[in-house]
Amino acid sequence: DAGVTQSPTHLIKTRGQQVTLRCSPKSGHDTVSWYQQALGQGPQFIFQYYEEEERQRGNFPDRFSGHQFPNYSSELNVNALLLGDSALYLCASSRGDRPEQYFGPGTRLTVT
Amino acid sequence: AQSVTQLGSHVSVSEGALVLLRCNYSSSVPPYLFWYVQYPNQGLQLLLKYTTGATLVKGINGFEAEFKKSETSFHLTKPSAHMSDAAEYFCAVSDQPGTYKYIFGTGTRLKVLA
Repeated sequence: DAGVTQSPTHLIKTRGQQVTLRCSPKSGHDTVSWYQQALGQGPQFIFQYYEEEERQRGNFPDRFSGHQFPNYSSELNVNALLLGDSALYLCASSRGDRPEQYFGPGTRLTVT
Repeated sequence: AQSVTQLGSHVSVSEGALVLLRCNYSSSVPPYLFWYVQYPNQGLQLLLKYTTGATLVKGINGFEAEFKKSETSFHLTKPSAHMSDAAEYFCAVSDQPGTYKYIFGTGTRLKVLA
């Protein structure tokens, strides 16, 4: 049973550019959450998708947007990249009626 | 508002010694509580969770945690540390049924000394 997968593993972008990160949830899971983990910090909640809708959002600007597809996979888009967006971006999946989330390996984004 | 405090950003123990990682939370409603472990350059792995029922929760790799409502704590313990336990540990709280948005602590890096 494949766990949560994310692509790409690493990414280097320049300030002002746009980036798209991808996530495939664990089999049987229908909910995807995205987190940003800055170096030396705990993950911070960005938003959560369920039934292709953004169900809840954390304290992140509108530059951060997402999408969920009918097969439950998800994308995180970040526009107008800032140096401060450099972080590990983690995707977590869960089954809608259960609280535990399972995390992917993350995408390391570096903004130069 | 929910919050999580992990006391001690770095903890060192000798191999074979007791591991105790502290987590205190604040929540206006009964919380769901979690411990995750993160190895270098990897994602987070669920160690154990408390949702309802028994307050002493057993997880993987010999870890356990006890939910103490009166102390608003959910400390993680392991009787005997192993070198492979060296990693970063995160405590998380969720008190929103339906969305289960997680609030994480800042993490505790565990070092195991030979």
